[in-house]
Order: sequence, then C-alpha cells, then structure tokens
Amino acid sequence: KAGVTQTPRYLIKTRGQQVTLSCSPISGHRSVSWYQQTPGQGLQFLFEYFSETQRNKGNFPGRFSGRQFSNSRSEMNVSTLELGDSALYLCASSFGTGAMNTEAFFGQGTRLTVV
Amino acid sequence: GIQVEQSPPDLILQEGANSTLRCNFSDSVNNLQWFHQNPWGQLINLFYIPSGTKQNGRLSATTVATERYSLLYISSSQTTDSGVYFCAVERFSSASKIIFGSGTRLSIRP
Repeated sequence: KAGVTQTPRYLIKTRGQQVTLSCSPISGHRSVSWYQQTPGQGLQFLFEYFSETQRNKGNFPGRFSGRQFSNSRSEMNVSTLELGDSALYLCASSFGTGAMNTEAFFGQGTRLTVV
Repeated sequence: GIQVEQSPPDLILQEGANSTLRCNFSDSVNNLQWFHQNPWGQLINLFYIPSGTKQNGRLSATTVATERYSLLYISSSQTTDSGVYFCAVERFSSASKIIFGSGTRLSIRP
C-alpha cells in the first residue's frame, strides 16, 4: 500500500513569506502529526491531528498552524517566515486511536530553506 | 515530559563489526520505535518494540520496559548501515506525541 506522501519535497522561501506543506497519510490512518528537524534542536513535535481535530500541540509560536481534512490529509502553514524556520519538516501517520499501541510511519519530508 | 537519551552519540566501526545502540527513557511508555534516517532525511522504520525482543536479518532489538531501556543490535555491519539511528517513544494520554532521542550517528568504514 502507498506510504506517507509529503509535498513539496523542497522549498525555498524568503523571510516574511508564508508556506503551506501537505501530508497524505497511509490509507485508513486517522492520526497525522508533524515534526521539525534542525541540526541544533533535533526532532521536535509540532502538532497532532486526529479526525480533523488538533489533539496536541508542541511548544512552537502561533506562526505555525495546521489543519486536517475529512480524508485525513493534513496541511501545516508557517506564516511570516524567519531564517530559523529552515528545517526538515516530517509528517507521521498512524491509526492513532490512543487506546491501542500503534506504529507510526513517516513521509520523506519537506526541506524548507528560508533566505 | 519524558526524556529520551541515546548512547553513544557517535560510533565509527569497520565493516563487519557488531554494534549496540542504547536508548534510555525516563518514564513508562506505550510505544517505542527504532528508526534509521537515510541520507535524504526519511525515517525508515526498523522496529516497533514496546517490549520484548525482535529480529530482522542482521538487526535485532530488545526493550526492557520495566527498566526503561531499549537496545538495538547491528551485526556484521555494512557501509549501507551508516546513518543516524533514532529511538522514539510515545506515551498515550488523550493524544499522540512522539518524543525522539538525539540519535546515534553510525559510520561504517570499508
């Protein structure tokens, strides 16, 4: 079956602009979570969506937002980009029911460069 | 929150050697996974192992949940094993949140 698909793979944006990243989870998975990876901070949790609702949010400024659609696809948006937002953004997909242990699968990531 | 520590941070080995990577976590968890991050950044699932022992070819993993650690064994290392290995844990409350260790960078020399 198809894996987790993230688009685009690469992005170059200018400071002050905004950007939207997309993630299509594995069919049947209802949980989508987002992570930022930088050399200095490692892999950090951004937020998690389940059935179109944000269930959990990491410690990031309000410029980072997201949403999930009825087909479980998710988008994350970063407004007023800063140089420090340059990172690899990874999306994870799982059943996410919470009541049972479930394995997470990651997409290939979107590498964002802010200049 | 839960802290995840991986050791060693860096490991350089000759091809054919064996290695053991360790992951310690500070509280009980529901999920534990090991990943290999490829040069393009994708996290490749190695093991989903909240407890017990699993083997997949030259790789195996053991999690001792009661003592809050997990080990990843790589035998007969190949140059393609090079990369960063991450341990990631998850503890369910009402939501999911994966917490990653800082990784072990493995370099296999021919």
